[in-house]
Amino acid sequence: GAVVSQHPSRVICKSGTSVKIECRSLDFQATTMFWYRQFPKKSLMLMATSNEGSKATYEQGVEKDKFLINHASLTLSTLTVTSAHPEDSSFYICSVAPSRDTQYFGPGTRLTVL
Amino acid sequence: GENVEQHPSTLSVQEGDSAVIKCTYSDSASNYFPWYKQELGKRPQLIIDIRSNVGEKKDQRIAVTLNKTAKHFSLHITETQPEDSAVYFCAASQGGGADGLTFGKGTHLIIQP
Repeated sequence: GAVVSQHPSRVICKSGTSVKIECRSLDFQATTMFWYRQFPKKSLMLMATSNEGSKATYEQGVEKDKFLINHASLTLSTLTVTSAHPEDSSFYICSVAPSRDTQYFGPGTRLTVL
Repeated sequence: GENVEQHPSTLSVQEGDSAVIKCTYSDSASNYFPWYKQELGKRPQLIIDIRSNVGEKKDQRIAVTLNKTAKHFSLHITETQPEDSAVYFCAASQGGGADGLTFGKGTHLIIQP
């Protein structure tokens, strides 16, 4: 499998502030990373596909100006939640796919917006 | 887009018995079907996956079957143990390593001692 880390693991912020979440691929150079969101006791929903050196591809209904994705290197993708609101509180998880299909997930970041 | 349905939402079985979780998908172009296990507050862990050129795959107590014609696939866990208790998610994608996964809603598996 692949080793994926995320930072921070938990973050609490005030409404209206921005939060940056990092996803690192520690043993694999990832040209593509994925960002998912998981609400409590719910399933994972794909938010966007992060592409190294180019713009991210967002899923329908995901605001690209609110969820800014930067994939500046082969080992790091960042997700910035801008002007966060309580409804953005969720578990954000990234994944990488070192082989043709298999995806391995990071440990996730629990975001709480007050 | 793809839609994945998963049943049941909760499954309670006696330790040692078998558990079966079923999923259906809508997009005939999907060709990769992984299963993930997620414990509370943890990341999803891949437990088994199957590709559309195979009808069945087994790994010790875990097996997955795929029926492409009917567009459904199932997870089978035999000789269940307490540590099998978790939420299990099925997923589907068109593969290629550049495709995100569409997940089912999850099954909370409870192993009764």
